[in-house]
Amino acid sequence: KQEVTQIPAALSVPEGENLVLNCSFTDSAIYNLQWFRQDPGKGLTSLLLIQSSQREQTSGRLNASLDKSSGRSTLYIAASQPGDSATYLCAGTTGTYKYIFGTGTRLKVLA
Amino acid sequence: EAGVAQSPRYKIIEKRQSVAFWCNPISGHATLYWYQQILGQGPKLLIQFQNNGVVDDSQLPKDRFSAERLKGVDSTLKIQPAKLEDSAVYLCASSAPRGGRNEQFFGPGTRLTVL
Repeated sequence: KQEVTQIPAALSVPEGENLVLNCSFTDSAIYNLQWFRQDPGKGLTSLLLIQSSQREQTSGRLNASLDKSSGRSTLYIAASQPGDSATYLCAGTTGTYKYIFGTGTRLKVLA
Repeated sequence: EAGVAQSPRYKIIEKRQSVAFWCNPISGHATLYWYQQILGQGPKLLIQFQNNGVVDDSQLPKDRFSAERLKGVDSTLKIQPAKLEDSAVYLCASSAPRGGRNEQFFGPGTRLTVL
């Protein structure tokens, strides 16, 4: 049974820091991996999608990578801003397009 | 392009009552998902549709939850009767799998409180 762990569960950093969020899967056969952002009381916003043939994706200050051999993904946020404060969730599929989600990392960026 | 629409946004009911949620996916998206998100946890898949057929409902409590997707577009999720532990946010998502790429897009969710 696929399980997803996100570390750390919570993170508080001063503005301007570069930071890394981690996501690991018990089944390393990941087909698609998606990172989301969730603001309080809101739905999920897609940030980055890594397909099975890819190893990383970049969008602005965000970079996500996937190491399929270890079943681990990282989300790198450069030059963090207070507006980045949210919960970040990773989710992966193992081929059936059924996504399994982690429990998220709650990020707070202090001004 | 319009996003995934859900209604209502909030619902408060007494236990043992029934409730229904509605979802309108992004136009052209064949795959539709319903998730349950309990406070502090990640979303848990309840049911996945491909057009109007069920792909996965292994985690749907079928004794009280039901879902349908008529004509492969809109979908409704129903709970009857509701229990206290059903208090959660119910999220709808849609996607258009193509060439190995399957990016999900989520609606704003419906926050259900069962008293």
